[in-house]
Amino acid sequence: QKEVEQDPGPLSVPEGAIVSLNCTYSNSAFQYFMWYRQYSRKGPELLMYTYSSGNKEDGRFTAQVDKSSKYISLFIRDSQPSDSATYLCAIVYGQNFVFGPGTRLSVLP
Amino acid sequence: EAQVTQNPRYLITVTGKKLTVTCSQNMNHEYMSWYRQDPGLGLRQIYYSMNVEVTDKGDVPEGYKVSRKEKRNFPLILESPSPNQTSLYFCASSSHPGAHEQYFGPGTRLTVT
Repeated sequence: QKEVEQDPGPLSVPEGAIVSLNCTYSNSAFQYFMWYRQYSRKGPELLMYTYSSGNKEDGRFTAQVDKSSKYISLFIRDSQPSDSATYLCAIVYGQNFVFGPGTRLSVLP
Repeated sequence: EAQVTQNPRYLITVTGKKLTVTCSQNMNHEYMSWYRQDPGLGLRQIYYSMNVEVTDKGDVPEGYKVSRKEKRNFPLILESPSPNQTSLYFCASSSHPGAHEQYFGPGTRLTVT
């Protein structure tokens, strides 16, 4: 079993839709939970991070963590074509970053 | 501008020919790391460095070497590349070990024939 699992997609949605991206993890020692966004031919960039169960909101983006279920989600409201990218969940313990394989999202105008 | 730079961006080489991919950051970061990204497998850490002269293996270190003689530079060395090292490589840095944000370079696409 991989440490972090993520639906690879691709996922296509119309502009304005609510998008739900999900990851599951296996190691209870994980401390930080993050979402990175990667545009085509670019390096990943940090979108959001959290370290506790519950929701964290930043504009149109909401990160949700459920430690009891080892499940993290990223919700995108009012999705825009500029949100088209690959979204990577990342989980940290100590100095170790473990990334999910990424979900490719296309938002169609 | 704060950034991580990598060179070259694209490289095609043959099996066994030693190569080095350079990585440099201008943010005075302590922590630097190398990843490879493959379809379906995501980003996997190759090596990381918590400071000058301190390096350690990540999840997939076989076939790679690194050095950290200066804080800003963290080159990745493939002494005898093989086709299974064909991949997209990213260098990343963060202010300190355990910092939640890593800054990634633009990537180096390596093809080994």
